[in-house]
Amino acid sequence: AQSVTQPDIHITVSEGASLELRCNYSYGATPYLFWYVQSPGQGLQLLLKYFSGDTLVQGIKGFEAEFKRSQSSFNLRKPSVHWSDAAEYFCAVGAGEYGNKLVFGAGTILRVKS
Amino acid sequence: DTGVSQDPRHKITKRGQNVTFRCDPISEHNRLYWYRQTLGQGPEFLTYFQNEAQLEKSRLLSDRFSAERPKGSFSTLEIQRTEQGDSAMYLCASSPLGLSNTGELFFGEGSRLTVL
Repeated sequence: AQSVTQPDIHITVSEGASLELRCNYSYGATPYLFWYVQSPGQGLQLLLKYFSGDTLVQGIKGFEAEFKRSQSSFNLRKPSVHWSDAAEYFCAVGAGEYGNKLVFGAGTILRVKS
Repeated sequence: DTGVSQDPRHKITKRGQNVTFRCDPISEHNRLYWYRQTLGQGPEFLTYFQNEAQLEKSRLLSDRFSAERPKGSFSTLEIQRTEQGDSAMYLCASSPLGLSNTGELFFGEGSRLTVL
């Protein structure tokens, strides 16, 4: 069965600093991988996704993620964090057609200090 | 607003009562999903519909839970004889089929249930 591990429950970074959120997955086949962000009072929003091809994918809001099959990882990065990036971030692996049925990690809460 | 909408946003009920949540997906989306999110956890898949057909149900969906999508448009999720363990955020999402499908699920803001 698919599973996703996000090892960091909370991360605090200074505004302007770089960010990396870790994600490890377990899936038998080539995975569909996603990062979603959830801000208080708002629905989950897709940041980026990986289906195939280039292992470095670009998303919205300046985020990128790199798929590393050998490490079963899909870490999310941003070179310079803004205060508005404070939110909870979820990594997910997709099953089914187009990967629509998602298995989520437990999430990482990002705090940004000024 | 053409996003996914859920109603009510908050529901407080007493143990043993029945509750129903409604989800209106994006109008051209054929697929509709229900997820449950408890505190400190990521969303967990409950069930999904393709048009009016319920194609898959999670083992998390006990016999007290039922979901419908009678005309392939809006969906309802009913919980009978609520228990305190049912307290959670219930999320609805939708997606299109076919060539329009990019793998993205479009989520509503959720319906938060508190069982006293």
